[in-house]
Amino acid sequence: QSVLTQPPSVSGAPGQRVTISCTGTSSNIGAGYDVQWYQQVPGTAPKLLIYGNSNRPSGVPDRFSGSKSGTSASLAITGLQTEDEADYYCQSYDSSPVFGGGTKLTVL
Amino acid sequence: EVQMLESGGGLVQPGGSLRLSCAASGFTFSIYAMSWVRQAPGKGLEWVSGISGGGSTTYYTDSVKGRFTISRDNSKNTLHLQMNNLRAEDTAIYYCAKSSGGIAEAQDYWGQGTLVTVSS
Repeated sequence: QSVLTQPPSVSGAPGQRVTISCTGTSSNIGAGYDVQWYQQVPGTAPKLLIYGNSNRPSGVPDRFSGSKSGTSASLAITGLQTEDEADYYCQSYDSSPVFGGGTKLTVL
Repeated sequence: EVQMLESGGGLVQPGGSLRLSCAASGFTFSIYAMSWVRQAPGKGLEWVSGISGGGSTTYYTDSVKGRFTISRDNSKNTLHLQMNNLRAEDTAIYYCAKSSGGIAEAQDYWGQGTLVTVSS
């Protein structure tokens, strides 16, 4: 069991909007620690997508956005594209870095 | 350009040892915390161990405490993970990851990973 809880899978059609949730507790997200999001295309290394809850590294399209409220965080992807099909992981801190179990995004 | 290149993975028997290395370039290595993150076959990401920029503080997930040792050589821009008493459940791709600041910050750059297989 992961410390942070994500849905195993989400799906959407090209052009649609999808959201991925990340639920934590009062000892991690709820304690004020930032949430990061990573994208991992199968067979490749993870890539930082969102840091500090809602900030995008240079080069990440503004179709990707993050938010945080209380003990949860969310990743939203608008204008879904086929190349967005990947696994997505949230990450925060709870005495050490902790990851969510990952969410597989399928673009129908 | 930030680059990290892991090496040292391979096949090892249960109870054996391996030493992973990560050669970093393109940034001031000694300023940033570094971590090892692993991914078992078909599974999610698991943070394994981390070390502060100066090397004075180390962190471990419970399942590897007492078996794994993280270290860094800031004069050579290299990160290491000494893995002893390996178990089948340690089988995974091991990624070297750079923090954007301290250990609680985002891992902003990742290596390509090195595969460790523990099997008889």
